[in-house]
Amino acid sequence: GEDVEQSLFLSVREGDSSVINCTYTDSSSTYLYWYKQEPGAGLQLLTYIFSNMDMKQDQRLTVLLNKKDKHLSLRIADTQTGDSAIYFCAEGGSSSASKIIFGSGTRLSIRP
Amino acid sequence: IAGITQAPTSQILAAGRRMTLRCTQDMRHNAMYWYRQDLGLGLRLIHYSNTAGTTGKGEVPDGYSVSRANTDDFPLTLASAVPSQTSVYFCASSDSASGANVLTFGAGSRLTVL
Repeated sequence: GEDVEQSLFLSVREGDSSVINCTYTDSSSTYLYWYKQEPGAGLQLLTYIFSNMDMKQDQRLTVLLNKKDKHLSLRIADTQTGDSAIYFCAEGGSSSASKIIFGSGTRLSIRP
Repeated sequence: IAGITQAPTSQILAAGRRMTLRCTQDMRHNAMYWYRQDLGLGLRLIHYSNTAGTTGKGEVPDGYSVSRANTDDFPLTLASAVPSQTSVYFCASSDSASGANVLTFGAGSRLTVL
């Protein structure tokens, strides 16, 4: 079945870049997503990438997609304390009729 | 403010009791979902509804039921709660005829079953 895997923890020094990695198994996934969850809150969409793209950049965020290896990464430039959160990778098809499969989440902590 | 409202925010429940988690959205989204979040397991889909009047099973549906009588409401019922249902429950909605299926999440309901 479909599966999305990511490491559970990442610690980064403030000001450095953070790179969160994710692998998925469903090669038919049309969209790959990154969600952010702050403490005590629900998930919020950070960004997503269409499966025929290799890269998407949005301000401090860069998403890289290697469809051949089914590998997705999220790079956060100049990491700030406000970036401390759990980051979820997810995959799914197009339209609201397709189910979204989430990874286990990566907890990003920032060192001063 | 448009969005999803979940209730209760937190609840402690004795095993064997019946419990309904409420979810209401005011965005007129056609699809709604229930996920549970457990440490190390991420979010797992319990049940979903693509449109009012229809529901479907997700990855972990056992012990849970849902109904979708109208567009706005999607309650999740635990008929006889067990300790393994201790979790944080998130309701979500989306509305995409095509393109990316972006989910809007509620703030969550923390349920403890003793």
